[in-house]
Amino acid sequence: AAGVIQSPRHLIKEKRETATLKCYPIPRHDTVYWYQQGPGQDPQFLISFYEKMQSDKGSIPDRFSAQQFSDYHSELNMSSLELGDSALYFCASSQNAGTGGGETQYFGPGTRLLVL
Amino acid sequence: AQSVTQPDIHITVSEGASLELRCNYSYGATPYLFWYVQSPGQGLQLLLKYFSGDTLVQGIKGFEAEFKRSQSSFNLRKPSVHWSDAAEYFCAVGADYKLSFGAGTTVTVRA
Repeated sequence: AAGVIQSPRHLIKEKRETATLKCYPIPRHDTVYWYQQGPGQDPQFLISFYEKMQSDKGSIPDRFSAQQFSDYHSELNMSSLELGDSALYFCASSQNAGTGGGETQYFGPGTRLLVL
Repeated sequence: AQSVTQPDIHITVSEGASLELRCNYSYGATPYLFWYVQSPGQGLQLLLKYFSGDTLVQGIKGFEAEFKRSQSSFNLRKPSVHWSDAAEYFCAVGADYKLSFGAGTTVTVRA
């Protein structure tokens, strides 16, 4: 079965640079979520989109922005990178069922970002 | 706001022994509860979920979990652990179009 695809899998950037992470959801999934997992931490919710509209926003820095495109893929743009942005970034997708949280989220393998 | 507590940071269990991982949640309404497993450097794989109905939920890889509303708990169990079960386990509550995770429990399996 098709899974969530994330690219790149690994990314190394310098401080103050910009990074773009991409997420391709499972076919027919209309909702995309982004999470950040720091070393030894649990995943923290950043932002989600349903039908190309932002549906919820968590502790996402103002330096980060994201969008969902017409083909449902999503991109997380990160500017002015800081050392503390080094983390594993997960994308998840689901099919909206109107429960506002009960949908099963299927996670991608993650993008490991290292900021030097 | 919803929150999840996993009291055990690390558990060591012998291969073939039983395993129970604790999870307590805080949420005002009926919760949507999930258990995910993460192997080192890997993504999160769904083990099982609870939405409503039967409070004993069966999942993949021989895992099950029991929802107890009176105790606000959703503990994960496996009768006989295999070495491949060594991983980190996250309990999560789903609400407001996102998952809120507990801090995770790392399971080590010894031969």
